[in-house]
Amino acid sequence: EAGVTQFPSHSVIEKGQTVTLRCDPISGHDNLYWYRRVMGKEIKFLLHFVKESKQDESGMPNNRFLAERTGGTYSTLKVQPAELEDSGVYFCASSQVREKLFFGSGTQLSVL
Amino acid sequence: DAKTTQPTSMDCAEGRAANLPCNHSTISGNEYVYWYRQIHSQGPQYIIHGLKNNETNEMASLIITEDRKSSTLILPHATLRDTAVYYCIVTKTSYDKVIFGPGTSLSVIP
Repeated sequence: EAGVTQFPSHSVIEKGQTVTLRCDPISGHDNLYWYRRVMGKEIKFLLHFVKESKQDESGMPNNRFLAERTGGTYSTLKVQPAELEDSGVYFCASSQVREKLFFGSGTQLSVL
Repeated sequence: DAKTTQPTSMDCAEGRAANLPCNHSTISGNEYVYWYRQIHSQGPQYIIHGLKNNETNEMASLIITEDRKSSTLILPHATLRDTAVYYCIVTKTSYDKVIFGPGTSLSVIP
């Protein structure tokens, strides 16, 4: 069974540019989560989808971040325009019945 | 969700049992104790969870005190690959988000 897939694995962009991260959850998982870890800080929740609907987006930092999940399958997280403080590792996780979350390997975003 | 308290760091000799404690004195009756870990540069990995009974799986054992105010994650024979940050999380089994704290950094020493 394929796990949670994220790409790209690494992205280096300049301040002010746009970046789109993608997450493919495990097939059949209705719940999809985005998390972020900034260097030296704790893993922070960003938002939660149930199918295509945003269940909880309380962790989204600001309106430069836009998450979508078209058709309840894969999800994208777009940062526009990127700022230096957006650098970090972005993790995606999915679950069906929420007994445990399966995490992807993350996307390392560096904003220069 | 109830708050958890874990030691910042621990060492364990390779081949020995690693016992990682967690305090969750404000846990409520319908909240579960979950453990995840993050091995350097990888995504977090689920280990085990429980409500009030002790649990065991292929990775670890979870011992929860009778009053449920604390628990211990046991890795029975720690290997170098178990070096990671371990997170104790208390949450309801629902669609609530999982909130990570600072966790315990476990170093398994040869």
